[in-house]
Amino acid sequence: DSGVTQTPKHLITATGQRVTLRCSPRSGDLSVYWYQQSLDQGLQFLIQYYNGEERAKGNILERFSAQQFPDLHSELNLSSLELGDSALYFCASSAFTGTGSQQYFGPGTRLTVT
Amino acid sequence: SQQGEEDPQALSIQEGENATMNCSYKTSINNLQWYRQNSGRGLVHLILIRSNEREKHSGRLRVTLDTSKKSSSLLITASRAADTASYFCATESGGSYIPTFGRGTSLIVHP
Repeated sequence: DSGVTQTPKHLITATGQRVTLRCSPRSGDLSVYWYQQSLDQGLQFLIQYYNGEERAKGNILERFSAQQFPDLHSELNLSSLELGDSALYFCASSAFTGTGSQQYFGPGTRLTVT
Repeated sequence: SQQGEEDPQALSIQEGENATMNCSYKTSINNLQWYRQNSGRGLVHLILIRSNEREKHSGRLRVTLDTSKKSSSLLITASRAADTASYFCATESGGSYIPTFGRGTSLIVHP
């Protein structure tokens, strides 16, 4: 158990809908990362927050947004969902940010868009 | 796009044998990490090797780094059925500290 929690575990929704994925980092970790894992694209970095502020951005679509709250939990919002958004979404946390930061991954949310 | 590419894509061995996975990358790196992922679960950090290091050990794991060849290898000795998982290398390069993951090697260890 990494100490990172993600809810829900599974989500099935229809195209065009909007969903929110939630992540609670390990106790004391200030940094949260979001990744998308799909069969064709592999594990892709989406976005990072550090202590409430956006710190790095990866291949995140404009339909997707995220935020980190004062209690350090984070939410990833996915809107206007498409079939291709079906994937595993992982949250990871680390104590600090910068090179060599060891990331602890949550169990993931499996999103299926029908 | 992937920076690191693992090879082979899939590996099937018997319990007790050694498993070797390779990772090649394109640009100079600051460090390289190996992660394990059990089916459908989150990734677990195994080991980090910095660009000025050549070899690191952790239990039954041995990681080597050859920066001249832009490659790394992960050796699991005396494999066990519980080692069955996908193994990913992740590289940090340039000014970015966000690791870029390869597509992984799927390892199956038969009891």
